[in-house]
Amino acid sequence: RKEVEQDPGPFNVPEGATVAFNCTYSNSASQSFFWYRQDCRKEPKLLMSVYSSGNEDGRFTAQLNRASQYISLLIRDSKLSDSATYLCVVNNQAGTALIFGKGTTLSVSS
Amino acid sequence: NAGVTQTPKFQVLKTGQSMTLQCAQDMNHNSMYWYRQDPGMGLRLIYYSASEGTTDKGEVPNGYNVSRLNKREFSLRLESAAPSQTSVYFCASISAMGGGELFFGEGSRLTVL
Repeated sequence: RKEVEQDPGPFNVPEGATVAFNCTYSNSASQSFFWYRQDCRKEPKLLMSVYSSGNEDGRFTAQLNRASQYISLLIRDSKLSDSATYLCVVNNQAGTALIFGKGTTLSVSS
Repeated sequence: NAGVTQTPKFQVLKTGQSMTLQCAQDMNHNSMYWYRQDPGMGLRLIYYSASEGTTDKGEVPNGYNVSRLNKREFSLRLESAAPSQTSVYFCASISAMGGGELFFGEGSRLTVL
């Protein structure tokens, strides 16, 4: 099993839609969880960290379920500018590096 | 504010040639990383340096070597390039694991013919 697995996508949604991405991780000892966003041919950038209690940043909500080793990202009221690839990121077993999922591509259309 | 700087941005090599990708960060970060990104594969960790003076293998280290020259600089060397190493390479740094943001360079696009 890969360390970090994501929904394969792509997700094609209209503006204003709500969309959710899921991610599972294999290392039960992982302590750090993040969602990164990557635009076409650009470097990834941090979207938000994921905390045990769940956290929200505007239209974005991240949830962590340690028992199921599962992370989610919910985007409400999708905008055209949300079109990108969303990467789930978890620290490795040694806690010394960050491992990326393959990413889920979102395309928001008008 | 430069952040993470990678050079070169583009490079074309012939099979068997060698080259070094350079990376420098000016944020006084302890940990630095090299990833490669291929279509449909996401980012895969090649090597990392958790702190100055240490380096460790990541998921796909074969065919690469690294040097943590000092706290600022972390280079990636291809000793004998192969077409399978055609990829986009990203260098990144973070202040400390468990907190903070991973900052990336703009990427180096390498083609091996």
